[in-house]
Amino acid sequence: DAKTTQPPSMDCAEGRAANLPCNHSTISGNEYVYWYRQIHSQGPQYIIHGLKNNETNEMASLIITEDRKSSTLILPHATLRDTAVYYCIVRVSRDDKIIFGKGTRLHILP
Amino acid sequence: EPEVTQTPSHQVTQMGQEVILRCVPISNHLYFYWYRQILGQKVEFLVSFYNNEISEKSEIFDDQFSVERPDGSNFTLKIRSTKLEDSAMYFCASSTDNPRTIYFGEGSWLTVV
Repeated sequence: DAKTTQPPSMDCAEGRAANLPCNHSTISGNEYVYWYRQIHSQGPQYIIHGLKNNETNEMASLIITEDRKSSTLILPHATLRDTAVYYCIVRVSRDDKIIFGKGTRLHILP
Repeated sequence: EPEVTQTPSHQVTQMGQEVILRCVPISNHLYFYWYRQILGQKVEFLVSFYNNEISEKSEIFDDQFSVERPDGSNFTLKIRSTKLEDSAMYFCASSTDNPRTIYFGEGSWLTVV
């Protein structure tokens, strides 16, 4: 997605927190930040989304900077099963579709 | 937890044949989608469907493709006269209205030979 910039790949040690950055400097006021991931050969999996405030659910935390130009997805205790491609997507909540970019390939190292 | 289910998980078809991929969206969802992913490439949007009609489609979704919601639970993608380049994983997805969070199925892998 041309609206976001993510590193192509990252490594994280098992058990540590994985922090995945995303830049979205042209985000509009009504656009949300969504995160999905795709584990090999599986369907994209919704993780979390947010508008302005930080969000947390059972899978992850989303930290959005005050100017909303960047965000970080945090997996607090990464496991081998978190190895996947992670997509940061900016969209208006009522957008009719998601456009996937190349994402960040996260490798969890044992 | 409710999920989008897709059948078949894998189908092999001869070039030129018609294929129907089936999906059962999450029960209270109103918006339905098909995406595809060619091996090694990005997930690509094909079509979205609401209120029994197509609301948006991509350039990929040409006359070879059609979608239908034949009853209250199923959502299908029909591919006519399949070509080798139609070989891909096809994902069905659905969402509620607000927020429009989209949930994906596990995919149907189509191999055209």
